Amino acid sequence: DVKVTQSSRYLVKRTGEKVFLECVQDMDHENMFWYRQDPGLGLRLIYFSYDVKMKEKGDIPEGYSVSREKKERFSLILESASTNQTSMYLCASSFREGLGTDTQYFGPGTRLTVL
Amino acid sequence: GQNIDQPTEMTATEGAIVQINCTYQTSGFNGLFWYQQHAGEAPTFLSYNVLDGLEEKGRFSSFLSRSKGYSYLLLKELQMKDSASYLCAVRDRSTGFQKLVFGTGTRLLVSP
Repeated sequence: DVKVTQSSRYLVKRTGEKVFLECVQDMDHENMFWYRQDPGLGLRLIYFSYDVKMKEKGDIPEGYSVSREKKERFSLILESASTNQTSMYLCASSFREGLGTDTQYFGPGTRLTVL
Repeated sequence: GQNIDQPTEMTATEGAIVQINCTYQTSGFNGLFWYQQHAGEAPTFLSYNVLDGLEEKGRFSSFLSRSKGYSYLLLKELQMKDSASYLCAVRDRSTGFQKLVFGTGTRLLVSP
């Protein structure tokens, strides 16, 4: 079974803090994704990566950055957390996006609260 | 641009059949996914359609009409454990990269 793990289930940070969210997958997947999920807005793509050291902006990249130094690990960074970044953050991975039924596998999520 | 619409909430009774609709508009359609998400948990893959027609998998079936930009997820013999959100997602390649665009989800409540 594919396993995608995230470093924390719950996180509370203060405005202005630098926040790191870590995601690790164990299936040698090429593609990794970071989403945030908010009520009434659904899942929105923040950043994705299709290879080590490669990254692409998603639909809402402002206020975020990412790092992918190793194939299995994809980090989301909030340089200076703000209250409007309070959300559920979901990491996902896929073998090679776009090939047939190749689906994304999601981690359990990190619920971040910024005070 | 992309637009995906699905109902916000539906209710049904245990043992019944429910159909959750999804309409989409995208310039780079390359497949449609349905995911199930229980409260507080990660979305899990249910079904995939890229060609027109019906895909059946046990109690769950998914239908696609590309010309109409329309899909539905059919759940038969509903069980209490089917209470969850159901997410419709379109694989879009219009930007050059393949990525999933999600609808806001349909929360299904199954009652006894």
